[in-house]
Amino acid sequence: NAGVTQTPKFRILKIGQSMTLQCAQDMNHNYMYWYRQDPGMGLKLIYYSVGAGITDKGEVPNGYNVSRSTTEDFPLRLELAAPSQTSVYFCASSLPGQGGYGYTFGSGTRLTVV
Amino acid sequence: SQKIEQNSEALNIQEGKTATLTCNYTNYSPAYLQWYRQDPGRGPVFLLLIRENEKEKRKERLKVTFDTTLKQSLFHITASQPADSATYLCALDGAAGGFKTIFGAGTRLFVKA
Repeated sequence: NAGVTQTPKFRILKIGQSMTLQCAQDMNHNYMYWYRQDPGMGLKLIYYSVGAGITDKGEVPNGYNVSRSTTEDFPLRLELAAPSQTSVYFCASSLPGQGGYGYTFGSGTRLTVV
Repeated sequence: SQKIEQNSEALNIQEGKTATLTCNYTNYSPAYLQWYRQDPGRGPVFLLLIRENEKEKRKERLKVTFDTTLKQSLFHITASQPADSATYLCALDGAAGGFKTIFGAGTRLFVKA
């Protein structure tokens, strides 16, 4: 099993450009999440999904969009990239009732906006 | 506001000793507390989960305690090894559903041979 796979691993964007961060999991987890991690800070939830076709905002959703057309995939879209979006992005998945099982994280995408 | 605090200073210990990391929280009533390990350039890896009605949980060389009165969790690694060197994150989950998981910034652990 691959677990949670994220692509790309690194990316540099210019201000105003757009991109999609890909995330796929093969564990048949219903719940999927996008987090960002900034130096010296805890992970911040951007968006989450409890199943195909259902998404909702987390703590820091501005500037991002998501979709969930299948159980396996949960892409994160950045529109009009800004320097404040420079961060490391992690996708994660879990079984329902996420607190009882722990999260499985991908290896991350390091994004720099210049 | 809800707050979770882990020691921002790195913890340096000698191989074979017990490492103890602290996680304190305020303005939160967690149902679960989780500990993760994160290596540089990698995603966090789930280690242990402890529920609010549990005082202690063990897994191999790892031990977690959870004191809801003190609002504190302690994470112990016994017989530490250089391979245990990493950043350790704690995370809290609420009881009433929703997605209120909050993560600490982590404590860096260095184990010297």
